[in-house]
Amino acid sequence: DGGITQSPKYLFRKEGQNVTLSCEQNLNHDAMYWYRQDPGQGLRLIYYSQIVNDFQKGDIAEGYSVSREKKESFPLTVTSAQKNPTAFYLCASQGGYGYTFGSGTRLTVV
Amino acid sequence: QKEVEQDPGPLSVPEGAIVSLNCTYSNSAFQYFMWYRQYSRKGPELLMYTYSSGNKEDGRFTAQVDKSSKYISLFIRDSQPSDSATYLCAIWGLSLQGAQKLVFGQGTRLTINP
Repeated sequence: DGGITQSPKYLFRKEGQNVTLSCEQNLNHDAMYWYRQDPGQGLRLIYYSQIVNDFQKGDIAEGYSVSREKKESFPLTVTSAQKNPTAFYLCASQGGYGYTFGSGTRLTVV
Repeated sequence: QKEVEQDPGPLSVPEGAIVSLNCTYSNSAFQYFMWYRQYSRKGPELLMYTYSSGNKEDGRFTAQVDKSSKYISLFIRDSQPSDSATYLCAIWGLSLQGAQKLVFGQGTRLTINP
């Protein structure tokens, strides 16, 4: 079955540590997106990539980094510069005019 | 001003009630209108989409678009406890920043009480 796989489902980060969230898709979609979701704030766009080896900042890119070396993969690194990283992170890919989402990664700072 | 405004709720109704969820948007260039449903701790899934003004039905769900008022709605008839979720409107088009992308509303948290 085609879809988007995010891993891990739960992730714990210590203060000052970088962590990487994985996003893999087998839908053959060119465009991929990373969103952050906090209670009561909806989806906020972190980064997006419309083609391999190219990506753009979204609305809240500070403290995050991405790479797009393969069409199937769009990992997100949450760096120590992100002061409030506890949130639910969603990866999506675009097919036509709609997005397909992964099941999310819940990141918690401990 | 946000490009897409949606009342975050929460909204709680009894089973069997008709539910109305609404969004307004500011950019008349927006073209495709969608509703996503998100269950707790899951990713959003596409529920309905429409292009033109008017109504589109799919079972108990009706999506309504009024482009002249920049207003979209989702109606749920005979609501069921399994409809309890967060509903996000999403609109596709040229954003105010000039890029083509899907712009999401804040999401409305809906609870259907048995």
